[in-house]
Amino acid sequence: QSVLTQPPSASGTPGQRVTISCSGRNSNIGSNSVSWYQHLPGTAPRLLIYRNGQRPSGVPDRFSGSKSGTSASLAISGLRSEDEADYFCAAWDDTLNGRVFGGGTKVTVL
Amino acid sequence: EVQLVESGGGLVRPGGSLKLSCAASGFTFSNYGMIWVRQAPGKGLEWVASISSASSFRKYADSVKGRVIISRDNAKDSLFLEVDSLRDDDTAVYFCAREQTTVTTDWYCDLWGRGTLVTVSS
Repeated sequence: QSVLTQPPSASGTPGQRVTISCSGRNSNIGSNSVSWYQHLPGTAPRLLIYRNGQRPSGVPDRFSGSKSGTSASLAISGLRSEDEADYFCAAWDDTLNGRVFGGGTKVTVL
Repeated sequence: EVQLVESGGGLVRPGGSLKLSCAASGFTFSNYGMIWVRQAPGKGLEWVASISSASSFRKYADSVKGRVIISRDNAKDSLFLEVDSLRDDDTAVYFCAREQTTVTTDWYCDLWGRGTLVTVSS
């Protein structure tokens, strides 16, 4: 059971917008920033979003992040076939005094 | 090229031990805190251990405390994870990752390796 809760799957057709949620508590998302990662099995996870909504250089602006209260979300607009991957969220948890992750959401491009 | 490459995984019998390595290249390794994260089959990511840039601070997840030692050799740009008394539920892909910041309100990892698979089975 992951500390941060994500839906196990999400899907959309090419060009659509897909949103992935990440639910936590006051001790993690409610108090600290959220980061998002893209992971294709067998490859290195890739940082997509940090500080809730900041994109590293090289990440397309199709990817956006936001946070409200104890929840965060990642939106992928203009969905492409290459976006088919696992996405997971992460944050620091003050109560656990450590790093916590979501269970991951598998995005399928139909 | 800026990258992290893990090695050392494999098939281990329950009760056995293993030492994983993570080779860093393309950046000043000694400037960054590092962590190990694992992903069991069909499960989410789980933070395992972390170490500060100069090895001053080390921290372990409760699930592995007492069985794991994280270390690093900044002269060789390498990170290590020694795991003892391996159990079936230690079976996972183990990733090393670079922490861009250890400020808890702003924590994230900006570089990951591909991972190395550890399988614990008799």
